[in-house]
Amino acid sequence: EAQVTQNPRYLITVTGKKLTVTCSQNMNHEYMSWYRQDPGLGLRQIYYSMNVEVTDKGDVPEGYKVSRKEKRNFPLILESPSPNQTSLYFCASRVQGAGNTIYFGEGSWLTVV
Amino acid sequence: QQPVQSPQAVILREGEDAVINCSSSKALYSVHWYRQKHGEAPVFLMILLKGGEQKGHEKISASFNEKKQQSSLYLTASQLSYSGTYFCADEGAGGTSYGKLTFGQGTILTVHP
Repeated sequence: EAQVTQNPRYLITVTGKKLTVTCSQNMNHEYMSWYRQDPGLGLRQIYYSMNVEVTDKGDVPEGYKVSRKEKRNFPLILESPSPNQTSLYFCASRVQGAGNTIYFGEGSWLTVV
Repeated sequence: QQPVQSPQAVILREGEDAVINCSSSKALYSVHWYRQKHGEAPVFLMILLKGGEQKGHEKISASFNEKKQQSSLYLTASQLSYSGTYFCADEGAGGTSYGKLTFGQGTILTVHP
């Protein structure tokens, strides 16, 4: 079954404690991306990757890091989480190139206290 | 810059129709439409590519006017299952925005019996 898998799905953490949200896709997609969703703001792109070892900033990259060492995995790293990073996070993937639909993971609810 | 959706919210009774508009500020290659239930991942509805085509999906259809940089989603004879938040996402036609999906802020659709 084609899917994008994120972990953890739910996490409560404390300010400053480094955390990683993993993302894996089994569709051999070149393009992967992270979004955060906040009420009234829709989905905003954090980082994206067009292929292995190729990553770039989205619209709200501050406070986040990513890496793309393998095609299937695209982890999101919060080096020093702060309360304003409390949000719902989605990983997504698609075939590289315009006009292709994007597939979302189930989402990760992150709360930073 | 995010595409602008209107209205922000709409309330319907079963069987009524609705139109959701999406207006972009850049030259477009495509517009995507997604529906999201609360706490779940967005679900793909359709893609419209430049060329001004109109597409249909059961009782949900959409149009795309690339010259006006606008798209509209039409929901006819609404059902309770149509309730959710609808997002458009635009994809730039060239330069740094080519292949980059930017989501609107969403339109909350509520259908009552």
